[in-house]
Amino acid sequence: NAGVMQNPRHLVRRRGQEARLRCSPMKGHSHVYWYRQLPEEGLKFMVYLQKENIIDESGMPKERFSAEFPKEGPSILRIQQVVRGDSAAYFCASSPGARPNYGYTFGSGTRLTVV
Amino acid sequence: TQLLEQSPQFLSIQEGENLTVYCNSSSVFSSLQWYRQEPGEGPVLLVTVVTGGEVKKLKRLTFQFGDARKDSSLHITAAQPGDTGLYLCAGNTGNQFYFGTGTSLTVIP
Repeated sequence: NAGVMQNPRHLVRRRGQEARLRCSPMKGHSHVYWYRQLPEEGLKFMVYLQKENIIDESGMPKERFSAEFPKEGPSILRIQQVVRGDSAAYFCASSPGARPNYGYTFGSGTRLTVV
Repeated sequence: TQLLEQSPQFLSIQEGENLTVYCNSSSVFSSLQWYRQEPGEGPVLLVTVVTGGEVKKLKRLTFQFGDARKDSSLHITAAQPGDTGLYLCAGNTGNQFYFGTGTSLTVIP
């Protein structure tokens, strides 16, 4: 695993369905961050997780959105009852620690389209 | 609340020209990073600056962190078509980085 792996790359859901986005961080990285990107906009922070713990979820809507990073397996961003406004590119990044000068390694993103 | 403002939003230049893009904020950051993002891909880290006034060079790219750690600039010398992409700055205020809206650069051969 040379980098952060996200899947699926593209996801189409009908309104009201659930979307599950997966992120496997780089080997040795225990900190995971989820961002959302809309066209013509920058990356918006959603949630920061460290193994089994949510550290900061201040950017994540309180309803319909949840995230986890279990002891084993990838981090999951879950969106319940999707609406058209959830259509966006969702990026996951990982880092080896929480120090501010650690850079993030980003995955290639999941592009969610709600129809 | 948009913590980081980047300018210009769009920039189109000829190969060989020089350019500077800016990242400004009213907030103080403990560190600031620059990323480049290509269409359909995630951002790729270019540099991290930590100290006020710090200057870092990466080949033809020069990054500067403002003395007050509120702003930064990226200067590219003799731009090449391979420099085309979305340049994002990101400032750290605690647990995570806040990203600017980006500067979309197109270098025309």
